[in-house]
Amino acid sequence: AQSVSQHNHHVILSEAASLELGCNYSYGGTVNLFWYVQYPGQHLQLLLKYFSGDPLVKGIKGFEAEFIKSKFSFNLRKPSVQWSDTAEYFCAVTRTDSWGKLQFGAGTQVVVTP
Amino acid sequence: NAGVTQTPKFQVLKTGQSMTLQCAQDMNHEYMSWYRQDPGMGLRLIHYSVGAGITDQGEVPNGYNVSRSTTEDFPLRLLSAAPSQTSVYFCASSVTGTGNSPLHFGNGTRLTVT
Repeated sequence: AQSVSQHNHHVILSEAASLELGCNYSYGGTVNLFWYVQYPGQHLQLLLKYFSGDPLVKGIKGFEAEFIKSKFSFNLRKPSVQWSDTAEYFCAVTRTDSWGKLQFGAGTQVVVTP
Repeated sequence: NAGVTQTPKFQVLKTGQSMTLQCAQDMNHEYMSWYRQDPGMGLRLIHYSVGAGITDQGEVPNGYNVSRSTTEDFPLRLLSAAPSQTSVYFCASSVTGTGNSPLHFGNGTRLTVT
């Protein structure tokens, strides 16, 4: 079965620390990849996306992600986090030939302490 | 520009009751979908629609019905509520359902079934 795995369920780190969240998927074929963020009490918002081209994509608020096709991975990174980055982060994947079926990972709760 | 509007924000039902969660978007998006969000499980796709008159099942469709009579509206019906349907429900839309356009989420409906 196709799946999206986020390996860290909870991450706690201090301000200015670096963040890396793992995401792996088990789809075959060509995929589109997304990271969404959900701040406390809010709905999900798009952080960044990868469709094709440069495997290193940059998103909002200083986040970036790297697509490594051979590893079926799309890890999210931020060099220096802020308290305002406290949120839940979701990786999502869809096959480019699959209408409507965007699949989400279980999410990673990130807490940044001052 | 309202985006994706969900009503109600909160709802408490008794087992066996029925209700409809409303979702409307004013962006002329072809694709609309319903997800449920449960702790540790991320978002799971319930039903989706790629245009008016067209709906299809997602990952967890049992116990839910949908219809898409207009481009703007995509209501989710619970015919006989069960405690297992206690969750937060998100409606989302995008320009198309191919995965090339990101999802726009509503603010969610928190449903409790007792």
